[in-house]
Amino acid sequence: AQSVTQLGSHVSVSEGALVLLRCNYSSSVPPYLFWYVQYPNQGLQLLLKYTSAATLVKGINGFEAEFKKSETSFHLTKPSAHMSDAAEYFCAVRDSGAGSYQLTFGKGTKLSVIP
Amino acid sequence: EAQVTQNPRYLITVTGKKLTVTCSQNMNHEYMSWYRQDPGLGLRQIYYSMNVEATDKGDVPEGYKVSRKEKRNFPLILESPSPNQTSLYFCASSTSGTSTDTQYFGPGTRLTVL
Repeated sequence: AQSVTQLGSHVSVSEGALVLLRCNYSSSVPPYLFWYVQYPNQGLQLLLKYTSAATLVKGINGFEAEFKKSETSFHLTKPSAHMSDAAEYFCAVRDSGAGSYQLTFGKGTKLSVIP
Repeated sequence: EAQVTQNPRYLITVTGKKLTVTCSQNMNHEYMSWYRQDPGLGLRQIYYSMNVEATDKGDVPEGYKVSRKEKRNFPLILESPSPNQTSLYFCASSTSGTSTDTQYFGPGTRLTVL
């Protein structure tokens, strides 16, 4: 079964600083990878996803993530944090095999942005 | 507007009293899924459905039932709720549920079992 590890349950950054949220997956075959964001009292929405077309993936709100097979990582970054980025971020993985339905989520990283 | 709706949004109940949380989507999606979210544990999948009359267990199915009699609806049933089922529940749907499909989430149902 796929698994995903998010390092750091809480990350604090200053407004304008670099955001780096870490995600590592366990799989011998590159899976499909996703980042979702959850704003307070809301459901999750997709930020970006890795589909094997390109290793650097750009998402909404200025976020991007780079797939690194050698490191089994898919870290999420944003060059300059904004107050509105404060939310919880979830990395998720799905097996790339045919008929694979399960989407497995990491435990989440709560991002705080300090003015 | 394309959306996933859940009802109720908030529910407080007592141990053993059967309840149903409804989920409906208007996007003609084949795949639907239920998750529970608990602090420090992220989202864990309870059940999913690949299409009408096709369901399967996720990672934490114990104490839950589901049915998929029509494409748009996927209710979650707790026949005898217990306090350890106090959680935030999310329904999600996607076109097929495989490969790079994006899942669209409902707003969540916060359940408290006393």
